[in-house]
Amino acid sequence: SYVLTQPPSVSVAPGQTAIITCGGTKIDTKHVHWYQQKPGQAPVLVVFDDRDRPSGIPERFSGSNSGDTATLTITRVEAGDEADYYCQVWERDSDPVTFGEGTKLTIL
Amino acid sequence: QLQLQESGPGLLKPSETLSLTCTVSGGFIYRSTYYWGWFRQPPGKGPEWIGTIYYTGSAYFNPSLKSRIIMSPPTSMNQFSLKLTSVTAADTAVYYCARRCSSRKCFTDWGRGAQVTVSS
Repeated sequence: SYVLTQPPSVSVAPGQTAIITCGGTKIDTKHVHWYQQKPGQAPVLVVFDDRDRPSGIPERFSGSNSGDTATLTITRVEAGDEADYYCQVWERDSDPVTFGEGTKLTIL
Repeated sequence: QLQLQESGPGLLKPSETLSLTCTVSGGFIYRSTYYWGWFRQPPGKGPEWIGTIYYTGSAYFNPSLKSRIIMSPPTSMNQFSLKLTSVTAADTAVYYCARRCSSRKCFTDWGRGAQVTVSS
């Protein structure tokens, strides 16, 4: 099965840029989606299809995908961005839906 | 945007069957062309996909759980359901239902989650 690798944690000061990576073999051939999950809450989709944002998600959230690494970038981070972030891929209906292990974003 | 809510018994004994219902509000879903998903999240871990079902009943399941899953499509009561048979302590998790994004393989409109604990 396809494996997605994320760093366990990322720390950044308020106002700075957070970069969260998601590694996978030839991941740029897949569509990557990103979720934000705060404690005790359900996941919230923040980026889909590598770089698109659902309505209501701030422009500070952006994504990219190249080679073996997909990236979620959060600019001008705020205290409210502190959460776990998960990448997800699912190509064909008959494939498993796969999540990364998650990255805990800490705002210093 | 639809609102989803999971419901079902929160405590089960080993070997029992987990039964969860997802009730959808904000739109009529019976025979709508949406895919619906079930997920679970053990304490301290990331989400795990359980399965996805279409309104026709066509479904795809996590291979590691497939033999124990019974999934039903939406009914006229605006609900769809999940059964997981022969549960063990390893099935202890928060269970979520969600709607698949239209024409995309992501998930939006998640329920708030239901805690299910398996303990003797």
